[in-house]
Parts: sequence; C-alpha cells; structure tokens
Amino acid sequence: EVQLVESGGGLVQPGRSLKLSCLASGFTFSNYGMNWIRQAPGKGLEWVASISSSSSYIYYADTVKGRFTISRDNAKNTLYLQMTSLRSEDTALYYCARRRAIADYWGQGVMVTVSS
Amino acid sequence: DVQMTQSPSYLAASPGESVSISCKASKSISNNLAWYQEKPGKANKLLIHSGSTLQSGTPSRFSGSGSGTDFTLTIRSLEFEDFAVYYCQQYNEYPLTFGSGTKLEIK
Repeated sequence: EVQLVESGGGLVQPGRSLKLSCLASGFTFSNYGMNWIRQAPGKGLEWVASISSSSSYIYYADTVKGRFTISRDNAKNTLYLQMTSLRSEDTALYYCARRRAIADYWGQGVMVTVSS
Repeated sequence: DVQMTQSPSYLAASPGESVSISCKASKSISNNLAWYQEKPGKANKLLIHSGSTLQSGTPSRFSGSGSGTDFTLTIRSLEFEDFAVYYCQQYNEYPLTFGSGTKLEIK
C-alpha cells in the first residue's frame, strides 16, 4: 500500500525557516518523481514544486522560487521541502504527492502556519 | 501560465442524479488534464488522467471528456460517497495549475 507521511510543520514567525519531510513507503521511491502541493485555509490547491526521480529536474512555482528548495534522499525514501524567508501567505496545508505531473497518491498533509 | 477556469464552484444534487463539472484552459493543453476528489479526513484521490482515462479504482460512473481547452467531468447516478470537492489540473506545462474547485453537496 502506497503511503506518504508528511512531518515537520508547525507555527513559525515570518522570515524564519522550516523544513518539511515526507516519508514514502509501499513503492520504489527512487523510481518516481514527487511533488509538493499546498492549500491555504479555505482555498484551492496550489502546486509548489516538483522533483524528478534522480533529482535531475526540479521545478518551482514563481511564488516560492528562490525561497523554497525541494530535495530527496532515495536511500531514506524521503522527500524534503526546505522553506526559508517564510511569509504569512505561505500558511497552508502542505501535501506531498507521488509522480511529477499527475499526482496519483497524496499524503494527508502537514500544516504550516506563518505568524508572529 | 495556463489558467484553469472551473465551473460551477458549487453544485447541489441528489443521489441518483447526474452532474457535470466544466474546466477550461486558457490555452490548449492537449489531453493533459487530471481530475481529483477531495474529502475531509481522506487523502486526495486521482480520479481521471489524460482527460478521460479512469485511474485504477475509480468507479465507472465517473467519466471525463474533452481535449484542447474544454474539459468535462461527469458523474452519473450520484452516490452518497461522491459528495466532495473536485479539482481539475493541467500538466501540459510547468507551472502545474489547478482549477478553483467545485463543491458538490447533497440537495
């Protein structure tokens, strides 16, 4: 059974950093591209970043480019999102999802709240 | 960026009825469109990809159609479990973009 479990969220002050993790199981993690997708409270889905299976291809939304870094450790079956210079508008539920373009499996999400 | 315009944003229907949700892209995306279902307390579910291909496990009462800029998700004979929020998403190019969602509620 495919499982994606996000962690690392919480309350953080504007301008600070936070690193999210997504532990994958139930499939060969190193064979799949991955995504981070977020949802602000009461809003729709917003794609954040994608990474290919070998980290050769990485893409970011303009809203996070230069502030967020997506990475992965295939030996640990883990996807990461390093978030810096956080803003109030980054407050959202962050999901990791399998496959680079079509998100065929999603985690339950982890909440990030940016507030002073 | 490709803008995805989804309508309606809200839809009320009764079990047994059929409904359709529209998704329009600001430029041609071929058939590179997916539909997702969002339900409280559950992981989001991929229903359809490539415009009309049912993901494994998606009930046959769901269907997708369209190509280019205009797409439709149709649900026949609604069941209670279908009342949820639905999103379209284009994957023809980066940035990946989603429609604004359609909330399907019980009438």
